[in-house]
Amino acid sequence: ELKVEQNPLFLSMQEGKNYTIYCNYSTTSDRLYWYRQDPGKSLESLFVLLSNGAVKQEGRLMASLDTKARLSTLHITAAVHDLSATYFCAVDEDSNYQLIWGAGTKLIIKP
Amino acid sequence: GAVVSQHPSRVICKSGTSVKIECRSLDFQATTMFWYRQFPKQSLMLMATSNEGSKATYEQGVEKDKFLINHASLTLSTLTVTSAHPEDSSFYICSASQIRGGNEKLFFGSGTQLSVL
Repeated sequence: ELKVEQNPLFLSMQEGKNYTIYCNYSTTSDRLYWYRQDPGKSLESLFVLLSNGAVKQEGRLMASLDTKARLSTLHITAAVHDLSATYFCAVDEDSNYQLIWGAGTKLIIKP
Repeated sequence: GAVVSQHPSRVICKSGTSVKIECRSLDFQATTMFWYRQFPKQSLMLMATSNEGSKATYEQGVEKDKFLINHASLTLSTLTVTSAHPEDSSFYICSASQIRGGNEKLFFGSGTQLSVL
């Protein structure tokens, strides 16, 4: 059974700081997603990582995937308040879009 | 980007009634749609996979007679919570799979907050 573990589950940080959210999963997969969810709103797709060593960056967010270590990271650089949200990683074990989700990381960035 | 419309966004109903939630892909055809359930402070849980023109595939532990899914067209899937009870109160989200240029992405509806009294 595929399990996806995300940590930390809660993160409060100051603006301008850097931090990393980790997503570990238990079985082989080469398709991993990062999503953002603002309270009361839909999920927003951030990154789709499709191969070992994949690295994608947009703005202050950078995601990477190490399929051998079964680990993906979401790195936040010089955080700003607008990045406050809950971030989910999800793994597609069978490449059929039936995603297994992490528990989410609630990120609060203080001015 | 692609848009998925989910309606209603919030519904309050009495115990024993049925509630229908609609999920529409507005500017693309989605052969596959997914329904998720999210409890407070917990992750999304996949309930079922819905393919146009065929019966939905339910995840283990999800009652198919309780949560009726219909995917009548390439742009519409519906989830009906039958004889709702307070324990069915939750946040329900749909998503639709889009294939474009060999790439596939999932787009999510805005969710439906169901409260059963």
